[in-house]
Amino acid sequence: GAGVSQTPSNKVTEKGKYVELRCDPISGHTALYWYRQSLGQGPEFLIYFQGTGAADDSGLPNDRFFAVRPEGSVSTLKIQRTERGDSAVYLCASSQLGQDEQYFGPGTRLTVT
Amino acid sequence: DQQVKQNSPSLSVQEGRISILNCDYTNSMFDYFLWYKKYPAEGPTFLISISSIKDKNEDGRFTVFLNKSAKHLSLHIVPSQPGDSAVYFCAASGETSGSRLTFGEGTQLTVNP
Repeated sequence: GAGVSQTPSNKVTEKGKYVELRCDPISGHTALYWYRQSLGQGPEFLIYFQGTGAADDSGLPNDRFFAVRPEGSVSTLKIQRTERGDSAVYLCASSQLGQDEQYFGPGTRLTVT
Repeated sequence: DQQVKQNSPSLSVQEGRISILNCDYTNSMFDYFLWYKKYPAEGPTFLISISSIKDKNEDGRFTVFLNKSAKHLSLHIVPSQPGDSAVYFCAASGETSGSRLTFGEGTQLTVNP
């Protein structure tokens, strides 16, 4: 079946602009996660949804970052007033209820110039 | 505070030999551990996992060992194949389901033909 998909695969934006990154989880997966991976590092947790609600958003670095999942499926990560330090690969993962293994999408590479 | 550490950034082995990748953690509340493999420009792919109630889990060429008293786990790949060349991430979670993953920095494995 189809895996987790993320769009766009690459996004280049200017400092100060607003960006939206989209994640389509595996069908039927109720849990959805966003992570950020910087060069040479492992993925770092940002936010976790169980259904439509954010169950844990403690990894969001500041209030410029926001994520939604209005219908419990697709999620959008929104970044306002982007900064050069936001440049990273943004990864989305999903899992079934009661399952520990998370399945990752290919990521969106965000470059802020 | 790096709660999951992979102290070897790289490892090189000959095809057919054993690859041993190591991971240490500091948080005693972690009770589930996973290994992911990542190829360039792709998201991490789930490989194998182990619950803290076990000390070994095997799946084909891959075996994960957990030493809770030492807060140490390792991934053994035998025999190693050139297609195993990738970055390997160790990850840990603190609940049985629906929890964030905390990742190590990754180890680049190169299997030479």
